[in-house]
Amino acid sequence: GAVVSQHPSWVICKSGTSVKIECRSLDFQATTMFWYRQFPKQSLMLMATSNEGSKATYEQGVEKDKFLINHASLTLSTLTVTSAHPEDSSFYICSARDVDGKQETQYFGPGTRLLVL
Amino acid sequence: GEDVEQSLFLSVREGDSSVINCTYTDSSSTYLYWYKQEPGAGLQLLTYIFSNMDMKQDQRLTVLLNKKDKHLSLRIADTQTGDSAIYFCAEIRSGNTGKLIFGQGTTLQVKP
Repeated sequence: GAVVSQHPSWVICKSGTSVKIECRSLDFQATTMFWYRQFPKQSLMLMATSNEGSKATYEQGVEKDKFLINHASLTLSTLTVTSAHPEDSSFYICSARDVDGKQETQYFGPGTRLLVL
Repeated sequence: GEDVEQSLFLSVREGDSSVINCTYTDSSSTYLYWYKQEPGAGLQLLTYIFSNMDMKQDQRLTVLLNKKDKHLSLRIADTQTGDSAIYFCAEIRSGNTGKLIFGQGTTLQVKP
């Protein structure tokens, strides 16, 4: 299957700092990527849809000024957690949408664990 | 997530078959997926089925889709300890710009 990478895999930061997470599709182009947040023992919560060349679409309740998304190329989307606080500590996962004719699949990155002290 | 339902836990013995069930409510689902998540990892796409299919088999995995009852199942034959993980079913709805609607996930425990 297709490969999606995330970097970094682990990040610890001080409260008030900003953290950038990268999501790359390695062997296909993705006009659409998605950012999720996952709390322990829970399902994934969609935060936003990242569209190449245009503004991201945020889900209800997600602060767009706090979670900045940039999708500058067909293989890279970034999520920046601005002025991070301990409640932002979580597991962040991205996915990339691969549409090939009638077939549509979504491939996930390995996740980034963020710990804000 | 409340539109896609899964049981939370399943325990089986190594070598037995596992059947993980999923129900959904929206009849406009176009694709339905099964993902596997191991501890601390992202989601691995296991298999998917298009909504006009009834069954799909891929090695040890068999997916059954009952559109009338809006019921999806994943059968894992000869379950191994390495199959222990959380399994998520997910759907994409027509016109939904690729957004996946996830179930809560089923934790599969395989006992030796």
